Amino acid sequence: GAVVSQHPSWVICKSGTSVKIECRSLDFQATTMFWYRQFPKQSLMLMATSNEGSKATYEQGVEKDKFLINHASLTLSTLTVTSAHPEDSSFYICSAPGTRAFRETQYFGPGTRLLVL
Amino acid sequence: AQKVTQAQTEISVVEKEDVTLDCVYETRDTTYYLFWYKQPPSGELVFLIRRNSFDEQNEISGRYSWNFQKSTSSFNFTITASQVVDSAVYFCALIASNQGGKLIFGQGTELSVKP
Repeated sequence: GAVVSQHPSWVICKSGTSVKIECRSLDFQATTMFWYRQFPKQSLMLMATSNEGSKATYEQGVEKDKFLINHASLTLSTLTVTSAHPEDSSFYICSAPGTRAFRETQYFGPGTRLLVL
Repeated sequence: AQKVTQAQTEISVVEKEDVTLDCVYETRDTTYYLFWYKQPPSGELVFLIRRNSFDEQNEISGRYSWNFQKSTSSFNFTITASQVVDSAVYFCALIASNQGGKLIFGQGTELSVKP
């Protein structure tokens, strides 16, 4: 089946630094990828939709200047948390639909745990 | 607006008991897709099932079964003869056909199966 990878799986950083998380579709092309955030004991909340070759679409309440998304190729989307603060500590998960019609299962990456000290 | 509700926040059972996880959804779209995912402590989401809105047949896969009822907007998940390895958080989710592939997740149900 389709595989989505994320890198890094764990990151610990100091407050004020920027952190980049990569999401790759390994054996299929993804013109669209989704970024989710999950706080402990909570559900996954969609942050933004990453579109290859165009600007990302952010959900209400998500700061686009803080969470920079770049979808430079059909297999790679990156999420950069700029000037990270402790409240940004969370589990970040990306996903990619298997087909353009979105009818197929979305394939999830293994997630990235971010801890901001 | 789309919404998924999993009213059971936590469930605790003893091994070999049957357990049903409830899921109720809301959507105005006639074409939509429902999913169940398992999230073990590692965090990685494990796909369990996808069902489209036009297919109300129940499905069984081993110890897992799903009951989809459009009349009550429910998509419940039953684990028969639960095992300790079933302990995880389970999410029900919805994609509506005109929502660009956005998955809307329920709050999740944390299942604890004790030996």
